[in-house]
Amino acid sequence: KAGVTQTPRYLIKTRGQQVTLSCSPISGHRSVSWYQQTPGQGLQFLFEYFSETQRNKGNFPGRFSGRQFSNSRSEMNVSTLELGDSALYLCASSLPRENSYNEQFFGPGTRLTVL
Amino acid sequence: AQSVTQLDSHVSVSEGTPVLLRCNYSSSYSPSLFWYVQHPNKGLQLLLKYTSAATLVKGINGFEAEFKKSETSFHLTKPSAHMSDAAEYFCVVSSLSGGYNKLIFGAGTRLAVHP
Repeated sequence: KAGVTQTPRYLIKTRGQQVTLSCSPISGHRSVSWYQQTPGQGLQFLFEYFSETQRNKGNFPGRFSGRQFSNSRSEMNVSTLELGDSALYLCASSLPRENSYNEQFFGPGTRLTVL
Repeated sequence: AQSVTQLDSHVSVSEGTPVLLRCNYSSSYSPSLFWYVQHPNKGLQLLLKYTSAATLVKGINGFEAEFKKSETSFHLTKPSAHMSDAAEYFCVVSSLSGGYNKLIFGAGTRLAVHP
């Protein structure tokens, strides 16, 4: 079974631009979560999507948004990029079980550099 | 609220010697705890998980961890380090938010293994 795939793997943008990152979950997984990893803040939860709906959100500004398609693929968008948005963005997929732990499988990440 | 504290940011061992990576957690209810490993330029891989079954949890690659409620600890150990174990390790607690889980990561411990 193929793992979680993320595209692109590397991205360079300039301040003020916007960017869209893509994540394809493991086949059959309907929940997709996004995390930001930086040297200063570590790994932080951005949001989670299930059945095309955002059902969980971390403490990030509105410039960070996402969506999920009917085939469970997800995209996240960052508008008006800032230097501090430079990070590794990780996507994880899981089977959705309510009120219990769902093991999350991570993709390799997209390394975003903002100049 | 749930949180995890990794007590060492860097650990250095010689090949063939034991590994101990320390983690303390805080949780208002019985937690689900995990250890993930991240090799350079790779995504996160689940090493092992504790979900209120046996307190001694065995994972992949010879790693194990013991859940100690009285000490609120979940330390990761391995009897004999291998060069390929050099990576960053994250202790993680699962937070049930709105009935669905999100992962809360510790700051990470970078493990160096010397010949």
